[in-house]
Amino acid sequence: QSVLTQPPSVSAAPGQKVTISCSGSSSNIGNNYVSWYQQLPGTAPKLLIYENNKRPSGIPDRFSGSKSGTSATLGITGLQTGDEADYYCGTWDSSLSAEGVFGGGTKLTVL
Amino acid sequence: EVQLVESGGGLVKPGGSLRLSCAASGFTFSSYSMNWVRQAPGKGLEWVSSISSSSSYIYYADSVKGRFTISRDNAKNSLYLQMNSLRAEDTAVYYCARVLVSSWYTWGQGTLVTVSS
Repeated sequence: QSVLTQPPSVSAAPGQKVTISCSGSSSNIGNNYVSWYQQLPGTAPKLLIYENNKRPSGIPDRFSGSKSGTSATLGITGLQTGDEADYYCGTWDSSLSAEGVFGGGTKLTVL
Repeated sequence: EVQLVESGGGLVKPGGSLRLSCAASGFTFSSYSMNWVRQAPGKGLEWVSSISSSSSYIYYADSVKGRFTISRDNAKNSLYLQMNSLRAEDTAVYYCARVLVSSWYTWGQGTLVTVSS
């Protein structure tokens, strides 16, 4: 069981919008930045969102992030078949030491 | 181009040891904290260990504490993970990652470690 909680799967049709939630606690999400990662089948994870809502260069603005309290959300608009992937949230946990923590991952299916 | 290339994975028997390496290029390696993150087959991401830019601060997940040792050689632009007393549950793809703006900003392609008799 992961420290951060994500839904196992979400689905939507091409062109639609989807959101993926990530729930934590005051020792992780509540007091640290959240980042989001996309993992296409057979590849390494790729950073999509950092510091809750910022996009690295090259990430389209179809991807967005937000955080409120001890939860964070990834939004994807204008869904494309190429967006089918696993998505992970991540942050740091300051309860004992600076340990990294991830959500269990969410499988996005574009119907 | 920023690049991280892991090596050293392979098949090892339970109780055995393995040393992973990560070669960095395209950025000032000595300025960044580095992490190891692993992913068991069909499972999610699991943070393994972190080392600060000057090796002053080192952290481990409870699952590997006392068995794994992270280190770096800034002169060689390299990150290492010494893994001892390996268990079947350590079987995973191991990724090295550069930490930037509180995120795992850059990832390597990963190296597979299989622990089996």
